[in-house]
Order: sequence, then C-alpha cells, then structure tokens
Amino acid sequence: DTEVTQTPKHLVMGMTNKKSLKCEQHMGHRAMYWYKQKAKKPPELMFVYSYEKLSINESVPSRFSPECPNSSLLNLHLHALQPEDSALYLCASSPGRGGVTEAFFGQGTRLTVV
Amino acid sequence: AQTVTQSQPEMSVQEAETVTLSCTYDTSESDYYLFWYKQPPSRQMILVIRQEAYKQQNATENRFSVNFQKAAKSFSLKISDSQLGDAAMYFCAYRNYGGSQGNLIFGKGTKLSVKP
Repeated sequence: DTEVTQTPKHLVMGMTNKKSLKCEQHMGHRAMYWYKQKAKKPPELMFVYSYEKLSINESVPSRFSPECPNSSLLNLHLHALQPEDSALYLCASSPGRGGVTEAFFGQGTRLTVV
Repeated sequence: AQTVTQSQPEMSVQEAETVTLSCTYDTSESDYYLFWYKQPPSRQMILVIRQEAYKQQNATENRFSVNFQKAAKSFSLKISDSQLGDAAMYFCAYRNYGGSQGNLIFGKGTKLSVKP
C-alpha cells in the first residue's frame, strides 16, 4: 500500500464554519506534511510533523490548526477562513529524514471558502 | 535560501517525439537532492525521477532522463517517445541533504501538452 488518502476530495465552507481535512497513510511513515497549492502555482509547505510532533510551521495563520493523533493520521482543522484561503490542500508522507527516498502525496482536498 | 527556477511556463510536444524541460536552482549547499514531479489533472503529485547531487551519473527511468550539471546548477528533464499520458504539470524540486523528505522547494512548473 503506497497510498496517501485525503478526505474529503472537495469542500465548500463559509467564513464562519469550522471544518477539518483528514489525511491517512499506512506505509509506516513517520513524517507527514501539509502543503497549500493555489491555482497554477507550485505547492507551498505549511506544516511538517516528525514522529507525531510538529517540527516545522511555515508561519501559517492560526486559523489553520494541524493535529497528528497518531503516526498514520494527520488532520488540518479550519476555522474562520478567508476567501483567499481557497486552494488545493495536499498531504504527503515520507519515511522520516535523510536519504533520497521521496515523499508520497495524496490527491488533495479542493477547498472553496465562500 | 534555496530557489528553483523553471523558465518555461508551457511546452508542447508531438506524440512520439522528445522534449526537454529546463530547471535551474540556487544553493550554497554541496549535498542535496533534486526531483521532477508530475501533476496530472487528477492533482496527485507523482515522482518522475530523482538525482543525488553527489552522483555524477545522470538518473534515468525508462523514457525519462535528466541532464544534471552541478557546476551550472542545472537539472533538465528529457522525455523520450512522448505519450498522451505525459501531458501534465511538471515541477522541479530541491531538497536539502538530511532534511525531511517532504520539505521540498518547488519551481513554478511547466505545463506540458502532448499533441496526437
């Protein structure tokens, strides 16, 4: 199983809503990542979890709150988002640190904030 | 800080022909990794090929090969015998040696179209 599964695939939410994005992998990877990708732009790293601890937060606004309940699961809690937060949110996982092994990406959640 | 530059926003190739996508990068590190990722309309980022900076030999994966010029900080991707399924956005990416495998710096991407 080399899959990273993200749910939901599409999400429309109002600016006052609270919602969560979910990411799951069963490859035994110990690092997981959230990326944000605007249309026709490259992905931008938001958060890195290593061994279930937050190791990198790329100055992301507090309306995005990541959570790693266990080594297989990564959540992104959303609250009071703005229309400019509409984007594709990609999750990825990897074995850990070092080496040339690549990160595996999910298919993303397309988020629209209205 | 490291940067990755892809100077071709769009490229087009005829089916069965060969195309080369360009990528340059800037880093002060001597050890690092370079990748080409493909993102089709399905949105999933798929690894195409990888290169370790300390290896002089250019990486090859079936129809995909790279021309890695470390001194010039250049990392181009050659696609031979192009197929319709190769149509996608292609991103060049850089990662520091020893860093988390998903801590990638991407270029802006090149949209590749394949004409039948």
